[in-house]
Amino acid sequence: GQQVMQIPQYQHVQEGEDFTTYCNSSTTLSNIQWYKQRPGGHPVFLIQLVKSGEVKKQKRLTFQFGEAKKNSSLHITATQTTDVGTYFCAGPGGTSYGKLTFGQGTILTVHP
Amino acid sequence: DGGITQSPKYLFRKEGQNVTLSCEQNLNHDAMYWYRQDPGQGLRLIYYSQIVNDFQKGDIAEGYSVSREKKESFPLTVTSAQKNPTAFYLCASSSTWGRSTGELFFGEGSRLTVL
Repeated sequence: GQQVMQIPQYQHVQEGEDFTTYCNSSTTLSNIQWYKQRPGGHPVFLIQLVKSGEVKKQKRLTFQFGEAKKNSSLHITATQTTDVGTYFCAGPGGTSYGKLTFGQGTILTVHP
Repeated sequence: DGGITQSPKYLFRKEGQNVTLSCEQNLNHDAMYWYRQDPGQGLRLIYYSQIVNDFQKGDIAEGYSVSREKKESFPLTVTSAQKNPTAFYLCASSSTWGRSTGELFFGEGSRLTVL
């Protein structure tokens, strides 16, 4: 079945450093979504990418969707302590209508 | 307020008992989902439903059951057949357009501990 792999599993940075998490799918995705889960909280939607090669920015966050629509990345510039949490990518589950498969997530720790 | 309500927030169960987790949404979403979260394993899909009276198994459906008798409700039963039920359970809903799924709105989660 369709798999969504995410790396790294953990990332520790000093405040002010940049951070990137990568998402790779075994199949071509029609779209990809990104979520953030704060410690002790629930996932919250960040963005959805649909077009091949698409790049979207939200303040210090930059999201990219690969040309082949099989990979995506989230880059945070100059991390802050408020960026702490787990970042997940999620993609449609292959031919299974309505299924959304999540990556394992990247746990970001920011040291002040 | 519009949103998704999960209950209970914390639940303790003895081995061999079935337990039902409640999920209610007032967002008028057609699609609802149940995910299980374990440390280091991300979110794994248990069951999902695109419309009332219809639902599909996700990746880890064994030992779980669901119903979708009303649009706003999607309860999950963790049966005694589930080998390792201690986990954090998340319910979500989304709107759909044709074959596309919109963003997922998650509830606060239910933390189940089997004693």
